[in-house]
Amino acid sequence: DVKVTQSSRYLVKRTGEKVFLECVQDMDHENMFWYRQDPGLGLRLIYFSYDVKMKEKGDIPEGYSVSREKKERFSLILESASTNQTSMYLCASSLLAENTEAFFGQGTRLTVV
Amino acid sequence: SQKIEQNSEALNIQEGKTATLTCNYTNYSPAYLQWYRQDPGRGPVFLLLIRENEKEKRKERLKVTFDTTLKQSLFHITASQPADSATYLCALKGGKLIFGQGTELSVKP
Repeated sequence: DVKVTQSSRYLVKRTGEKVFLECVQDMDHENMFWYRQDPGLGLRLIYFSYDVKMKEKGDIPEGYSVSREKKERFSLILESASTNQTSMYLCASSLLAENTEAFFGQGTRLTVV
Repeated sequence: SQKIEQNSEALNIQEGKTATLTCNYTNYSPAYLQWYRQDPGRGPVFLLLIRENEKEKRKERLKVTFDTTLKQSLFHITASQPADSATYLCALKGGKLIFGQGTELSVKP
């Protein structure tokens, strides 16, 4: 059974903290994606990566960075968490080809207080 | 920039009726369009993919159409059931994978 695993289901962090969200996939997928989801705004792409050490900005990269040191792992980093980064964060992976679907993790509900 | 819009935030229908959801896109010429289902508190799950030269694709009670002239896809659920209640998202993939904001479907018994 294919799997995308996010390290935490729920997280509570303080303003100004450095936050790491981890995502691991076991399908040998080239692509990995990080999204945030907020009511009424849908899934918004933060960053994606199509290969190890490669990263591309999505639509809302400000305040975030990413790391992909190994093919199976894609980390999202909030350098200095702020309350407006409170959200549901979703990781996904897929093969490179356009006609292939994405597989999602279960999501991390991050609250910044 | 590329943009995907879905027709409304919420759609309420009676059990047994056909639900029709709309997805429109701009500034893009995709070869494929995808549809996903998302249940509360969970990640989206892939349902169907349609190619640009396919007018229609079916999977059980699901039907998707793709009109590249109108830049629109329609997603139909026939003989809808309360278990079909969820948020449905359309997506385009070309390098990055972008989603519409989703349509929340509620099927009442």
